[in-house]
Amino acid sequence: DAGVIQSPRHEVTEMGQEVTLRCKPISGHDYLFWYRQTMMRGLELLIYFNNNVPIDDSGMPEDRFSAKMPNASFSTLKIQPSEPRDSAVYFCASSWRGGLDEQFFGPGTRLTVL
Amino acid sequence: GQQVMQIPQYQHVQEGEDFTTYCNSSTTLSNIQWYKQRPGGHPVFLIQLVKSGEVKKQKRLTFQFGEAKKNSSLHITATQTTDVGTYFCAGPDYGGATNKLIFGTGTLLAVQP
Repeated sequence: DAGVIQSPRHEVTEMGQEVTLRCKPISGHDYLFWYRQTMMRGLELLIYFNNNVPIDDSGMPEDRFSAKMPNASFSTLKIQPSEPRDSAVYFCASSWRGGLDEQFFGPGTRLTVL
Repeated sequence: GQQVMQIPQYQHVQEGEDFTTYCNSSTTLSNIQWYKQRPGGHPVFLIQLVKSGEVKKQKRLTFQFGEAKKNSSLHITATQTTDVGTYFCAGPDYGGATNKLIFGTGTLLAVQP
């Protein structure tokens, strides 16, 4: 397996634009997590899915953020409209049993909003 | 809410010196996991501890889970430049479900050759 795949790896956009981040989890993993990492706030969980269903989105900063998982092999995190404070590295991770198992992280998307 | 704190936030050592990072949870954990993130990289799983008082070793790395299952430590013997990175502990969230991890604040290790 190629591991968790994320695209794009880098994204530079202007304030107000829509940004879509993509993730392909490891095949067979039932859980998918979206994290955001910044120097100030560390590694924050935004949302996680179990069997394609969003379970906990309490970490999503505001309505500008949305996430979907239309099938077991694909998820998106969308920011609309983007703001400079959204600049961060966004990681997708997957696991078999959620908090009871190791999580496999993707390489991340470095987002810069100008 | 549940918090997982790590100390120190940053440590700079000379190559060959030992290093220890400590992790403390505000709640009892069913397990604790450790991850390493190299500069510019992504977190990579190192190990999981489950039993009270458990000690596990991986070459120069020694991991320990406290008796009360609320704290843990990672000790590196004779650091090398390849040990550079941020070390995170993480434990399951008991606020609602055990299906998400709460990551600690991390310890950044710098190793001077």
